[in-house]
Amino acid sequence: DAKTTQPTSMDCAEGRAANLPCNHSTISGNEYVYWYRQIHSQGPQYIIHGLKNNETNEMASLIITEDRKSSTLILPHATLRDTAVYYCIVSPSGAGSYQLTFGKGTKLSVIP
Amino acid sequence: DTAVSQTPKYLVTQMGNDKSIKCEQNLGHDTMYWYKQDSKKFLKIMFSYNNKELIINETVPNRFSPKSPDKAHLNLHINSLELGDSAVYFCASSAGSGTNGYTFGSGTRLTVV
Repeated sequence: DAKTTQPTSMDCAEGRAANLPCNHSTISGNEYVYWYRQIHSQGPQYIIHGLKNNETNEMASLIITEDRKSSTLILPHATLRDTAVYYCIVSPSGAGSYQLTFGKGTKLSVIP
Repeated sequence: DTAVSQTPKYLVTQMGNDKSIKCEQNLGHDTMYWYKQDSKKFLKIMFSYNNKELIINETVPNRFSPKSPDKAHLNLHINSLELGDSAVYFCASSAGSGTNGYTFGSGTRLTVV
């Protein structure tokens, strides 16, 4: 019972920005939005997370709408190594969370 | 300098055997997890341990028994292996409940024949 909805797949040209959308219309006030990715045959990799403000780190930017019902992960200059399945997850913080529930994710293919 | 390491990377075994997968993290985290990724690529949590105490047990058969000798290790023992146990098993760790993210190992591909 994933709480998020993501497109099944997306393509992005190498060097362009990849914008991956996620809908989480039932998100609760104490739930964060997390993004992970899984490159083929590897373990999932944490990318970024946020509560209500936009966030940026060395890997990506996370834009969360004001009503928090959707978000977009932005990879500013996609490379072939960014080809992966990207998972958007909502999860509460604090005691009791101790688990991430993965959905089906978006398979991003970066094309030369 | 692997942060979360699992051994073995590959495991092929016959039905009915008992096997163990080991996991160690050197990040100083106090919470560790086991996830299972089946052939359809769904990642599902199996167990989570915080300070060596079981926190989450997600309707996993009794044949699966996690053991946490200390905060840095969480091993998974599987008795009487079945064909349906074939999957990739991922260990992960986090500080506390994982608000700042989980770190996953590279996985153990278990094949039961």
